[in-house]
Amino acid sequence: GESVGLHLPTLSVQEGDNSIINCAYSNSASDYFIWYKQESGKGPQFIIDIRSNMDKRQGQRVTVLLNKTVKHLSLQIAATQPGDSAVYFCAENFPLRGNTPLVFGKGTRLSVIA
Amino acid sequence: AAGVIQSPRHLIKEKRETATLKCYPIPRHDTVYWYQQGPGQDPQFLISFYEKMQSDKGSIPDRFSAQQFSDYHSELNMSSLELGDSALYFCASSFRPFQGDEQYFGPGTRLTVT
Repeated sequence: GESVGLHLPTLSVQEGDNSIINCAYSNSASDYFIWYKQESGKGPQFIIDIRSNMDKRQGQRVTVLLNKTVKHLSLQIAATQPGDSAVYFCAENFPLRGNTPLVFGKGTRLSVIA
Repeated sequence: AAGVIQSPRHLIKEKRETATLKCYPIPRHDTVYWYQQGPGQDPQFLISFYEKMQSDKGSIPDRFSAQQFSDYHSELNMSSLELGDSALYFCASSFRPFQGDEQYFGPGTRLTVT
């Protein structure tokens, strides 16, 4: 499939190393955040989420950190594998009348070097 | 497990033509969201529907319209196509339109306007 995000920031990581992908969000009123992974030719795939009343949440091999003071999110991937190569987006939710369209941040392309 | 289905996967149209994109949500999901992703861009929210009613509206041009049908599938109608409409169009569905209810994305429709 055709690549998404040909001109995105790229993070190159050696296989087995840890990856850290950063994201700045825009709205201090946002209270729910999600990380998505998008592989070439596919739709965004949910990785992990976090609410604003937390500053850290862990999943399988992934950890999301939230710093509300500076409106910053990070996604940490442990023991990065070739299958982790993709574009990663953070997204925020503005609480709007109960409906929740996502506002995506700028993506980062993760390239895993075998 | 069933996923979000979008059709067609690829569509080529000429300027000023019309196009219709279809989205079939995951069974039992009653909320549908449409996003547009230009080359190298993050997905941008267009419009959403909950229980066949428009629930929120984003950066959707007036030339576009959408609806959700009784079986919960949705169609995005695009008229007077412009070169700038060339993009990936994603549909996402969720069980409810509430924050924290994960949005599952379809594979997208790649629209090319020549």
